[in-house]
Amino acid sequence: GENVEQHPSTLSVQEGDSAVIKCTYSDSASNYFPWYKQELGKRPQLIIDIRSNVGEKKDQRIAVTLNKTAKHFSLHITETQPEDSAVYFCAAGIPSNFGNEKLTFGTGTRLTIIP
Amino acid sequence: ETGVTQTPRHLVMGMTNKKSLKCEQHLGHNAMYWYKQSAKKPLELMFVYNFKEQTENNSVPSRFSPECPNSSHLFLHLHTLQPEDSALYLCASSQEPLLAGATYEQYFGPGTRLTVT
Repeated sequence: GENVEQHPSTLSVQEGDSAVIKCTYSDSASNYFPWYKQELGKRPQLIIDIRSNVGEKKDQRIAVTLNKTAKHFSLHITETQPEDSAVYFCAAGIPSNFGNEKLTFGTGTRLTIIP
Repeated sequence: ETGVTQTPRHLVMGMTNKKSLKCEQHLGHNAMYWYKQSAKKPLELMFVYNFKEQTENNSVPSRFSPECPNSSHLFLHLHTLQPEDSALYLCASSQEPLLAGATYEQYFGPGTRLTVT
């Protein structure tokens, strides 16, 4: 089955600096790579996703890059703000016969933004 | 945030008890999921239902028994659990991706914090 590794497990950055979280996956059949943000005591929420036919996707201060050959993808957050403090999970998805995705999640990165 | 609701929010049960977790989605989705979230472990997919049919059982022990009576409701029946089953159980739902404009996003509920004593 799929195995997703995520690094680092904790990350502290100064407000305004950039943060990068990296993930690797093992199954070449994976073709969907979402990132979820989970604030303390709240539910995970999708912040950005990318499909395997795209190398990079950006949404304001958040960007995701994908290297399908190397089987790794990364989350980049620029100009970090205190509200970016949360746990971030990467995931790799293998499509089901119904078109939705069976997701395998990474272990999460606890990001702390230092004011 | 009322798209996916879960009850109860907290549950304490003994190892010999039988209890059920309930999930309801008000988003018109056709796929529903159960995940287990333990401390310092990744979110673990347990079950997937598509159009009320179970399409994925991720080697989950039989003491966890899912039920999906319709596309809006999902249950997880629990019996003779072990202390290591204590965790946050999250329900999620997603659209049928072949619909025009559909996304692959999974919408999570707030979870049920389960403690097995």
